[in-house]
Amino acid sequence: NAGVTQTPKFRVLKTGQSMTLLCAQDMNHEYMYWYRQDPGMGLRLIHYSVGEGTTAKGEVPDGYNVSRLKKQNFLLGLESAAPSQTSVYFCASTSQPPSGIAYEQYFGPGTRLTVT
Amino acid sequence: GQNIDQPTEMTATEGAIVQINCTYQTSGFNGLFWYQQHAGEAPTFLSYNVLDGLEEKGRFSSFLSRSKGYSYLLLKELQMKDSASYLCAVMDSNYQLIWGAGTKLIIKP
Repeated sequence: NAGVTQTPKFRVLKTGQSMTLLCAQDMNHEYMYWYRQDPGMGLRLIHYSVGEGTTAKGEVPDGYNVSRLKKQNFLLGLESAAPSQTSVYFCASTSQPPSGIAYEQYFGPGTRLTVT
Repeated sequence: GQNIDQPTEMTATEGAIVQINCTYQTSGFNGLFWYQQHAGEAPTFLSYNVLDGLEEKGRFSSFLSRSKGYSYLLLKELQMKDSASYLCAVMDSNYQLIWGAGTKLIIKP
């Protein structure tokens, strides 16, 4: 099993350009998440999905859109990139819903995005 | 607001013991997680506490005191491969994960 994979690993964009980050998981997980990680800050949830065809906003959704057309894939889109979106983006998945029991989020290797 | 506090950086010696603290103020509590993240890599799950007390897992242990809003991760018999960032995260009453900024642990020979 590959687990959670992300494409691309690195990208440099100019302000105003658009791009799509792809996350794929082969563990048949229902729940998928997109986070961004910035220096000196904790992981922040951008959007998440509780199943195929569903998406929901997280803590910092502005400037991003997502789609979950297939259970195994979760796409993150930047329509018009801004320098404030320079960050490391992580995708994660889990088989269980968030609840008061232990559950593990499986993270992808990350995408390092620079917007100039 | 919701807040998770961890020391930014700690240094320890190979073979020693280190304790990484995490204090939190959140809207409700549904468990506390510790993740390990090596530089340039993805976070990986270490432990989960929802009841007060100590959970031991090999060289790693995690402690929780809900009344004090406090947890610590204890790493014993430190190895060079333990050099990493350690992330504390709390699940609030809405089952949202609130993440700390992480503690960078440097192990010296």
